Amino acid sequence: DADVTQTPRNRITKTGKRIMLECSQTKGHDRMYWYRQDPGLGLRLIYYSFDVKDINKGEISDGYSVSRQAQAKFSLSLESAIPNQTALYFCATSESGGAGTQYFGPGTRLLVL
Amino acid sequence: AQSVTQLDSQVPVFEEAPVELRCNYSSSVSVYLFWYVQYPNQGLQLLLKYLSGSTLVKGINGFEAEFNKSQTSFHLRKPSVHISDTAEYFCAVSDPAYNTDKLIFGTGTRLQVFP
Repeated sequence: DADVTQTPRNRITKTGKRIMLECSQTKGHDRMYWYRQDPGLGLRLIYYSFDVKDINKGEISDGYSVSRQAQAKFSLSLESAIPNQTALYFCATSESGGAGTQYFGPGTRLLVL
Repeated sequence: AQSVTQLDSQVPVFEEAPVELRCNYSSSVSVYLFWYVQYPNQGLQLLLKYLSGSTLVKGINGFEAEFNKSQTSFHLRKPSVHISDTAEYFCAVSDPAYNTDKLIFGTGTRLQVFP
């Protein structure tokens, strides 16, 4: 079984709709991250969380919100989706003191029409 | 702020040929450096990382990278590529001074291996 899972794997939605992407991990890591990947831009950090009560904005947090429901679960929400949020979204985890090594989920491909 | 530059967006190469994927980072007192690989329709997987010590780092699948502090580079190499190495490769950097594990990624290099 995969250590980091993301649901859904693919999603099509309309402009203005609220959508939630979910991430679960069985690695027991404290730290979790949400990235988006756009062609030619690499991965950019949206939000990160060091534990259930510690959530921080990344470089591109506008238009997004997150919830850390438990150590193992970290959800990303688009309150009102817009077409330029069409992207591939990745969740990742890392162990505190793990010198930066992150473990990635398989990604969620989101299309906003 | 840290930044990472991958100058080559695409690198075509024939099977069994050597390859080098270039990565440069902005200067800092100390850095952790990483190479991740993304196979088609998959998430990112760690290839190798440099934290300290020997400047030549060996990773999975026969890849290696050399940390060059004076040139602020961390180029990835493989002496003989296979078709299965076709993927996108990302260089990333983090700053150990902040203890956040936050990664700054380059824009990626797509390696295309031809038979």
